[in-house]
Amino acid sequence: AQTVTQSQPEMSVQEAETVTLSCTYDTSESDYYLFWYKQPPSRQMILVIRQEAYKQQNATENRFSVNFQKAAKSFSLKISDSQLGDAAMYFCACRYGGSQGNLIFGKGTKLSVKP
Amino acid sequence: DTGVSQDPRHKITKRGQNVTFRCDPISEHNRLYWYRQTLGQGPEFLTYFQNEAQLEKSRLLSDRFSAERPKGSFSTLEIQRTEQGDSAMYLCASSLTQGIYNEQFFGPGTRLTVL
Repeated sequence: AQTVTQSQPEMSVQEAETVTLSCTYDTSESDYYLFWYKQPPSRQMILVIRQEAYKQQNATENRFSVNFQKAAKSFSLKISDSQLGDAAMYFCACRYGGSQGNLIFGKGTKLSVKP
Repeated sequence: DTGVSQDPRHKITKRGQNVTFRCDPISEHNRLYWYRQTLGQGPEFLTYFQNEAQLEKSRLLSDRFSAERPKGSFSTLEIQRTEQGDSAMYLCASSLTQGIYNEQFFGPGTRLTVL
């Protein structure tokens, strides 16, 4: 079975500091895409960052970057200069099978940002 | 608002009743997905449509669940004879077929409580 695992149910970071959220996945497929989604309290899920499995270069979106370790099947999210608005549930997800297919999500990490 | 919308946002029902949820995707998106999210878990895939065709159904989608997407526009998800275990957030997402990412855009969800 294809699985996505987030081993940190909760994380906390001081405002302006850096935090890393962990994610591992398990698949035998060679073609897949990885995503981090943010779900603020009582608000809809939004895409934070995405990575193609065939690209070695780590994706970056402003303060958000990933550390993609394909051999280790690891896809961690680094948030730099954390802001109060970053507080949310963060879900790691994987889509297999090329351009088709549903997302498989991890259980999520709840990030708190302390002022 | 050009995002994905869902109606109702909240639904409370008694066990054994039927409920129906509606999802309106982003207008040019031909793919539509339904997910279920229970407390403390990531979203789990239920089913997806390409235009009006239902192409995949999860084993989570028991025979009490039915989804439709007439004319390839909005979609409805009906749950018959609701059970307390059906209590969850039901999320809808839509995407385009074209493009390597096929990014899924999520709606705000319908929170179902079965008493």
